[in-house]
Amino acid sequence: AQSVSQHNHHVILSEAASLELGCNYSYGGTVNLFWYVQYPGQHLQLLLKYFSGDPLVKGIKGFEAEFIKSKFSFNLRKPSVQWSDTAEYFCAVTLGISGGYQKVTFGTGTKLQVIP
Amino acid sequence: DAGITQSPRHKVTETGTPVTLRCHQTENHRYMYWYRQDPGHGLRLIHYSYGVKDTDKGEVSDGYSVSRSKTEDFLLTLESATSSQTSVYFCAISESSTYEQYFGPGTRLTVT
Repeated sequence: AQSVSQHNHHVILSEAASLELGCNYSYGGTVNLFWYVQYPGQHLQLLLKYFSGDPLVKGIKGFEAEFIKSKFSFNLRKPSVQWSDTAEYFCAVTLGISGGYQKVTFGTGTKLQVIP
Repeated sequence: DAGITQSPRHKVTETGTPVTLRCHQTENHRYMYWYRQDPGHGLRLIHYSYGVKDTDKGEVSDGYSVSRSKTEDFLLTLESATSSQTSVYFCAISESSTYEQYFGPGTRLTVT
């Protein structure tokens, strides 16, 4: 069964620090990968996604993620965080197979707290 | 934001009563999902739908049923609410199950 691991459950950073959140998945076939963000009291919103092509994906609000197939990883990065980035971040993976239902597996989330 | 609404947004109910949550979309997406979100558990899929009258179970479907009589509406019913069903419930939609999902604003349900 496919699984997604987010190693850091809670990260605390000062403003302007660099961010890297880890995400590893278990499935070795073709995958579609996503990062979602959930701001306090709100719903999940898509940050970025990877289906194919350039393994370095740029998303909204200055976030980017790198797909490293050999490491089964899709880590999220931001060079300089802001207080407004305080949120919970979820990695998700699904098989990249068209036709029929493919289950999406979410990681358990990483809470990021940015201190002003 | 995608056109997804959930109603009610907050509900307090007593143990043993039936509860129905509604999800409405204006995007004409094929797939609709119901999740619950609890501290320490992340998002867990309850049921999903891949078309009108086409639904299937997710990983935590016990105690829940769903119906989809129109493309735009996906209902989640707790037949007899229990305290363990106190949670935040999110509806989501997607064009394909392999594409990104768009989430509704959530319903906070408290079962006393």
